[in-house]
Amino acid sequence: GAVVSQHPSRVICKSGTSVKIECRSLDFQATTMFWYRQFPKQSLMLMATSNEGSKATYEQGVEKDKFLINHASLTLSTLTVTSAHPEDSSFYICSARPSLAGGPGTQYFGPGTRLTVL
Amino acid sequence: GEDVEQSLFLSVREGDSSVINCTYTDSSSTYLYWYKQEPGAGLQLLTYIFSNMDMKQDQRLTVLLNKKDKHLSLRIADTQTGDSAIYFCAEPSSGGYQKVTFGTGTKLQVIP
Repeated sequence: GAVVSQHPSRVICKSGTSVKIECRSLDFQATTMFWYRQFPKQSLMLMATSNEGSKATYEQGVEKDKFLINHASLTLSTLTVTSAHPEDSSFYICSARPSLAGGPGTQYFGPGTRLTVL
Repeated sequence: GEDVEQSLFLSVREGDSSVINCTYTDSSSTYLYWYKQEPGAGLQLLTYIFSNMDMKQDQRLTVLLNKKDKHLSLRIADTQTGDSAIYFCAEPSSGGYQKVTFGTGTKLQVIP
């Protein structure tokens, strides 16, 4: 089956530093990838839609200069949290939609990255 | 915009049936989804139902759709401890790119 990996799975950083999270589709090409943030009470919030070779589309209220997204290839999207602060601590999940999409809702999710900012 | 609501928590005994409920707002959704998230992991698409269907059964899973009330449910028969997870219902959202709006999630706890 289709596999999406995220790296790192867990990261702890100091306030003010930047953190890069990678999302890779391992055995398929993904023109579109999505970045989500999951809050402690479970809700999953879409942050942005990442499209290969073009600028990401951010959801309302998400700071594009704070959360930099690069989708440089059909198998890799990166999310960089710049100048991280404790309120950025969260579980970040990516998903990838295959270029040759399957049925409805075909998105494959990565295992998530737990970010803790001290 | 789309709004998808679920109860936060459900506890059942192993072997019983679980019913997870969801209400949604966008009546134009052509299909609705159920996702499962195991502890510390990403989401996995469990099943989906087209809006022209009232019911879909897939092994232990039964999805019921009431379009009039905009109500979706997921029934898990013979619930096992391995079914313990967070379950999200979801519907397509506007804005293209096949985006999906997720519900608040229901944490299912299965008691042995």
